[in-house]
Amino acid sequence: EADIYQTPRYLVIGTGKKITLECSQTMGHDKMYWYQQDPGMELHLIHYSYGVNSTEKGDLSSESTVSRIRTEHFPLTLESARPSHTSQYLCASSEIGTNNEQFFGPGTRLTVL
Amino acid sequence: GESVGLHLPTLSVQEGDNSIINCAYSNSASDYFIWYKQESGKGPQFIIDIRSNMDKRQGQRVTVLLNKTVKHLSLQIAATQPGDSAVYFCADLTGGYNKLIFGAGTRLAVHP
Repeated sequence: EADIYQTPRYLVIGTGKKITLECSQTMGHDKMYWYQQDPGMELHLIHYSYGVNSTEKGDLSSESTVSRIRTEHFPLTLESARPSHTSQYLCASSEIGTNNEQFFGPGTRLTVL
Repeated sequence: GESVGLHLPTLSVQEGDNSIINCAYSNSASDYFIWYKQESGKGPQFIIDIRSNMDKRQGQRVTVLLNKTVKHLSLQIAATQPGDSAVYFCADLTGGYNKLIFGAGTRLAVHP
């Protein structure tokens, strides 16, 4: 069982609200990632980080932003939620270096009304 | 561009049968692949990995085969059980950036 946590697990919110999805890991991993996944579909990388104060955009354009102030914490923020943001958001982490397994959190299922 | 894709979106098998899930990739320089299992409402969970210097790797009831010539890999599950019902993803770990490229996923349905 991976020591990576996401809160909330489920969130239903109205259009225009600001939301922050939390992700924390206790494995001391330098690399962290956010993926977006529609039900039954592939995962798309939207953000990643190599370490503290490092954030990069992923392959899928996203209106969300991330921050990495602490190694263990990688929150994702949507300033103004829209129905098009409805999806599952998965956080992952891995050790530094290449060819390292990514450990996934349980995900946050976001619904924007 | 880089892509990893699965041949079939859904696979239905009888309990006790063997399952084979296929995956194709396009980057001939890819050197590390992971199979993930994702149960409903959960994040992907590592099953088995394989590096490009290997053709086959076995785990507990699972075997991954890699054919670099045709850029194809497969996941074989022996004696499939109801608990194996999930979506299975193959993922390609592109070198340097440690970013996984995921295919679309295959849903495995195990019937009693």
